[in-house]
Amino acid sequence: DSGVTQTPKHLITATGQRVTLRCSPRSGDLSVYWYQQSLDQGLQFLIQYYNGEERAKGNILERFSAQQFPDLHSELNLSSLELGDSALYFCASSVVGGPGDGYTFGSGTRLTVV
Amino acid sequence: AQSVTQLDSQVPVFEEAPVELRCNYSSSVSVYLFWYVQYPNQGLQLLLKYLSGSTLVKGINGFEAEFNKSQTSFHLRKPSVHISDTAEYFCAVRGNSGGYQKVTFGIGTKLQVIP
Repeated sequence: DSGVTQTPKHLITATGQRVTLRCSPRSGDLSVYWYQQSLDQGLQFLIQYYNGEERAKGNILERFSAQQFPDLHSELNLSSLELGDSALYFCASSVVGGPGDGYTFGSGTRLTVV
Repeated sequence: AQSVTQLDSQVPVFEEAPVELRCNYSSSVSVYLFWYVQYPNQGLQLLLKYLSGSTLVKGINGFEAEFNKSQTSFHLRKPSVHISDTAEYFCAVRGNSGGYQKVTFGIGTKLQVIP
């Protein structure tokens, strides 16, 4: 157990639907990162939050949004889902997001869009 | 812009043999380098990291990596692999990009240890 908790572990939904993925960071970590992992694109950075505020944005589609709550857990919302959104979605956390921080990853949410 | 190239998508190696997984990076600024391992159905775990100082970095599970600035490489090595090392390995570089500390991951190298 890495200390980063992601729920649900698996999610199957239909095209056009909306889902919410949840992440609880490791105790003491203030930064949360979301990544999408697919076979053809590898690990793609989506977005980072630090202590409730958006810190950096990567290749996140406009149909996707995220937020970090006062208790530091984070949610990634995916809407108008397409078949191509099927992937593993990872959440990672780090202490402050400094340059030397390694990330602690959760075990991921496997999203299948049918 | 920064990038990471993992030169081998798959590396088969016999048990107890040595292995090297190659990683090259490009960045216009000082970087920090990391290796992560992903076991099946799990998230990534940090193996080791290079921030500064000695260019030879030791990590968990007997792995080590050497930072070579002139060749912009950060290859991962283990002198004797075990079956349990079968996993996917990701090299990552962290540097300043547009005012943010951005981490870029390589596409991964699948290490298959053959009994």
